[in-house]
Amino acid sequence: AQSVAQPEDQVNVAEGNPLTVKCTYSVSGNPYLFWYVQYPNRGLQFLLKYITGDNLVKGSYGFEAEFNKSQTSFHLKKPSALVSDSALYFCAVRAPENYQLIWGAGTKLIIKP
Amino acid sequence: EPEVTQTPSHQVTQMGQEVILRCVPISNHLYFYWYRQILGQKVEFLVSFYNNEISEKSEIFDDQFSVERPDGSNFTLKIRSTKLEDSAMYFCASQRGGDNSPLHFGNGTRLTVT
Repeated sequence: AQSVAQPEDQVNVAEGNPLTVKCTYSVSGNPYLFWYVQYPNRGLQFLLKYITGDNLVKGSYGFEAEFNKSQTSFHLKKPSALVSDSALYFCAVRAPENYQLIWGAGTKLIIKP
Repeated sequence: EPEVTQTPSHQVTQMGQEVILRCVPISNHLYFYWYRQILGQKVEFLVSFYNNEISEKSEIFDDQFSVERPDGSNFTLKIRSTKLEDSAMYFCASQRGGDNSPLHFGNGTRLTVT
């Protein structure tokens, strides 16, 4: 069965420090991988995606993610966190043969000044 | 930048009643989706819609659910007879193409079934 795991419910980082939000997946074939962010009382906003090519993808707001096929991971990273990065982050995966996104449970990112 | 808009932002209904959640996708987008998020739980796919028909649906999307694009702009989700467990945040999303272009989400409708 296809699944996405975000092993951390919450990640706390001091402002200015690097951050990592973890995501691993279980999908047959070559998946398409996405990160979305959700601010309070708002919909989900697209951050970045991996389809093919370079394993390191860059996205909005200075975020990047590294696709690691052998570890089936797609961790979200940012070199220097901002307080405004505090939000709920979702990893999502799509198998090439269908339309639906399979979502992780979300990780709450808290950046402290 | 064009946005997906959803109305109402909050809907309260009694168990057994019908509700219609409305969405206006981005105008040149071709693929439309409904997702839901039960409080504190993960986002779940409900249905995808393309070319005026359902292209894919999940197990959640049973006979109580239906979608429609009645006038070429609105995209609606109808729940025929609501249950307590239908209480959730419902998100509409649209996508330019069936490729891997990003989904654009609305701000959601919070449905509370009492």
